[in-house]
Amino acid sequence: EVVLTQSPATLSLSPGERATLSCRASQSVGSYLAWYQQKPGQAPRLLIYDASNRATGIPARFSGSGSGTDFTLSISSLEPEDFAVYYCQQRGNWPPLTFGGGTKVEIK
Amino acid sequence: EVQLVESGGGLVQPGGSLRLSCAASGFTFSSNAMSWVRQAPGKGLEWVSLISGRGGGTYYADSVKGRFTISRDNSKNTLYLQMNSLRAEDTAIYLCAKVLTGYYFFDYWGQGTLVTVSS
Repeated sequence: EVVLTQSPATLSLSPGERATLSCRASQSVGSYLAWYQQKPGQAPRLLIYDASNRATGIPARFSGSGSGTDFTLSISSLEPEDFAVYYCQQRGNWPPLTFGGGTKVEIK
Repeated sequence: EVQLVESGGGLVQPGGSLRLSCAASGFTFSSNAMSWVRQAPGKGLEWVSLISGRGGGTYYADSVKGRFTISRDNSKNTLYLQMNSLRAEDTAIYLCAKVLTGYYFFDYWGQGTLVTVSS
């Protein structure tokens, strides 16, 4: 099973700052990694798939990069609505499909 | 507009059974794989099961294999999860998710239905 480790667990930033979130896989998943955003009481929303492709309707301030075992989600300039929990998920070696433990981006 | 609406959750005793449903609309249901993902209260996301568009392929997390069964009725645009031998650790919100065509990521999600396993 591919274990995804996200860091940091919590990121405290101010609106307008850049956010950089990390997801590390226990073995290579190629480029088969996605990022989701989840706000309290809401379902997750797909942001990025296959490491760097923005999903439909996702603003350009969200970008993804990486391959193999190391991946990054960047938010170029945080908007108030971006404060949420972010999860990565891999499909490179499944079943099972696996998620990371999440990174909470909170307002500093 | 894609809509996924789960139902069937509730309180059940350990060892009991429950069947969840997910009513889908706004897309060609039979052409898309579907999945169940769960989220324990205050915790992260855990993939549970996935079924191919025509239902011929089914996949499970080890934690539910042999106890849960995923199925679908394409004539009713409905996804199911039959859960047997429930345990306290199965307590979670169960979310239905549409698989992004050609990938095994999830592009649409329902709001979920809460399953509580407790005596």
